[in-house]
Amino acid sequence: AQKVTQAQTEISVVEKEDVTLDCVYETRDTTYYLFWYKQPPSGELVFLIRRNSFDEQNEISGRYSWNFQKSTSSFNFTITASQVVDSAVYFCALSERRGGGSQGNLIFGKGTKLSVKP
Amino acid sequence: DSGVTQTPKHLITATGQRVTLRCSPRSGDLSVYWYQQSLDQGLQFLIQYYNGEERAKGNILERFSAQQFPDLHSELNLSSLELGDSALYFCASSVASRGTYEQYFGPGTRLTVT
Repeated sequence: AQKVTQAQTEISVVEKEDVTLDCVYETRDTTYYLFWYKQPPSGELVFLIRRNSFDEQNEISGRYSWNFQKSTSSFNFTITASQVVDSAVYFCALSERRGGGSQGNLIFGKGTKLSVKP
Repeated sequence: DSGVTQTPKHLITATGQRVTLRCSPRSGDLSVYWYQQSLDQGLQFLIQYYNGEERAKGNILERFSAQQFPDLHSELNLSSLELGDSALYFCASSVASRGTYEQYFGPGTRLTVT
């Protein structure tokens, strides 16, 4: 069965600290996609990144980086030099490939609430 | 701004009532998804439409229904509302083509059932 586990419910850091948000997934499919979304206090869900199961290259985007390891079924997210504006709930999600030109629905983890204090 | 619009932003109604939530996808997106976010259940997939046809169902109650119209906007109908239906309802859209799989979310409709 598909499942996404974000074991860290809440994390609190002081500004400029680095922080890593963990995500572990379960799937029986060989083709799948992993995502991170950010939900700031305003409530909207903001897309951050998508990763295909056949592409294990790590990615860096500014202060954000993602580490995808199929061997451990993990897709961790690191924020370097955190800022107060990073305070939000972060969701990891999984979808599986489906034919017919449409994609699968997202299976979300429970989310990790990150608080960055000045 | 994701390009996905949802109306209304807030909705307060009484138990037993029926409401309709509306979603307009990003221009060019054919797939529309509905999700429910509640404190106890988290973010849960309800239903997906692709180019007017239902493609997948998740944990959607029989009291809930949805449709996607020829102009690709979608509506989620919630009837016989219960207190437990109070939640944030998101609509998301995606381009239904190979190699592009991001779902972009609207701002959500916060439903409060009293």
